[in-house]
Amino acid sequence: GENVEQHPSTLSVQEGDSAVIKCTYSDSASNYFPWYKQELGKGPQLIIDIRSNVGEKKDQRIAVTLNKTAKHFSLHITETQPEDSAVYFCATVGGGFKTIFGAGTRLFVKA
Amino acid sequence: ETGVTQSPTHLIKTRGQQVTLRCSSQSGHNTVSWYQQALGQGPQFIFQYYREEENGRGNFPPRFSGLQFPNYSSELNVNALELDDSALYLCASSLDVGASYNEQFFGPGTRLTVL
Repeated sequence: GENVEQHPSTLSVQEGDSAVIKCTYSDSASNYFPWYKQELGKGPQLIIDIRSNVGEKKDQRIAVTLNKTAKHFSLHITETQPEDSAVYFCATVGGGFKTIFGAGTRLFVKA
Repeated sequence: ETGVTQSPTHLIKTRGQQVTLRCSSQSGHNTVSWYQQALGQGPQFIFQYYREEENGRGNFPPRFSGLQFPNYSSELNVNALELDDSALYLCASSLDVGASYNEQFFGPGTRLTVL
């Protein structure tokens, strides 16, 4: 069945360092790949997304790469700040509009 | 423009009871999806409604049902509650359907505890 694996489950970095989160997926029909940030007591919030016809996208300190052949995509956060601390989820969306989430990465940014 | 709101914030029920959770979509959005998020897990898709019709469903039993109203607000109903139903229930609204690129806007969730 459809599955999204996300690694690592926990990531601790020093303020100013970079953080990388990786995801792999199984559904070949996936064509949209959003990333969400979830803070305590809140719902997930979209931070960046990428479509299947694009290999890379950047928005200020955040970038996402997609390798459709290998079925994996990654989130890169540069110059991390304490306010980046949260749980990050990758997700895939296919033709059925069903969003499949990864299990999440808890990011700690130490000041 | 108001965001997605959910009620209640927290709820405690006992096994076997029934529960109704409510969601008010972001203004102008005609599609709502419901998710179950167990502690420490990613959200799992329950179902989606588009213009009052169920548009897709995840791997959840029939005791999970929903409604979408003409004003695009929505309800999630769960019958015969089980202990494993304890989770954060999230709704997300989006505009239109027909392309999977539509951004979903999530509400803060309803924390359901089943004792």
